Amino acid sequence: EADIYQTPRYLVIGTGKKITLECSQTMGHDKMYWYQQDPGMELHLIHYSYGVNSTEKGDLSSESTVSRIRTEHFPLTLESARPSHTSQYLCASRARLAGGQETQYFGPGTRLLVL
Amino acid sequence: DAKTTQPTSMDCAEGRAANLPCNHSTISGNEYVYWYRQIHSQGPQYIIHGLKNNETNEMASLIITEDRKSSTLILPHATLRDTAVYYCIVFSGNTGKLIFGQGTTLQVKP
Repeated sequence: EADIYQTPRYLVIGTGKKITLECSQTMGHDKMYWYQQDPGMELHLIHYSYGVNSTEKGDLSSESTVSRIRTEHFPLTLESARPSHTSQYLCASRARLAGGQETQYFGPGTRLLVL
Repeated sequence: DAKTTQPTSMDCAEGRAANLPCNHSTISGNEYVYWYRQIHSQGPQYIIHGLKNNETNEMASLIITEDRKSSTLILPHATLRDTAVYYCIVFSGNTGKLIFGQGTTLQVKP
């Protein structure tokens, strides 16, 4: 099991504010991911990173940005929050299983409400 | 990555086996079948994965058909805490992108 930490767990914020959602993992995994999930809906990949100084946009267009300055840390930033950003944000890192295959382990998520 | 088809919802009696089916008819040779579950909007939790042989771990068993076009996740003795959305995903690992569908909402009833 990977230890993936996300803070805050819940955030209520006003429109126009800048926010940063934190994600960290202690396993030294190179590959990390951010997903967005609306209630009762599918997860959508919004950003990923294959290592330090590597960031890519995912399959779902997002107004957020990410950075990867350290292996263990993959923060997501919204420069100006809007009500349309209200969602759950899930961070994951990729780990190798016994037998060589890889899978992703997820953090507990951040529930964001923008008023 | 290939797409999967799962029933939208299923019920299971507590203590009985829960059998969750998944169709992945376009799976390619290097793609594995992965199962995750998501309990009450927490982060998804890895359950099990397999390529072509049946697999079992402490959480569940995975049965993959010989043609690999479908699979079944088996929870041998479902408990109320197994109530969750279960996702079947095919994944080669090369792109690193898990594609989550709608999943199956399993409701375990007392």
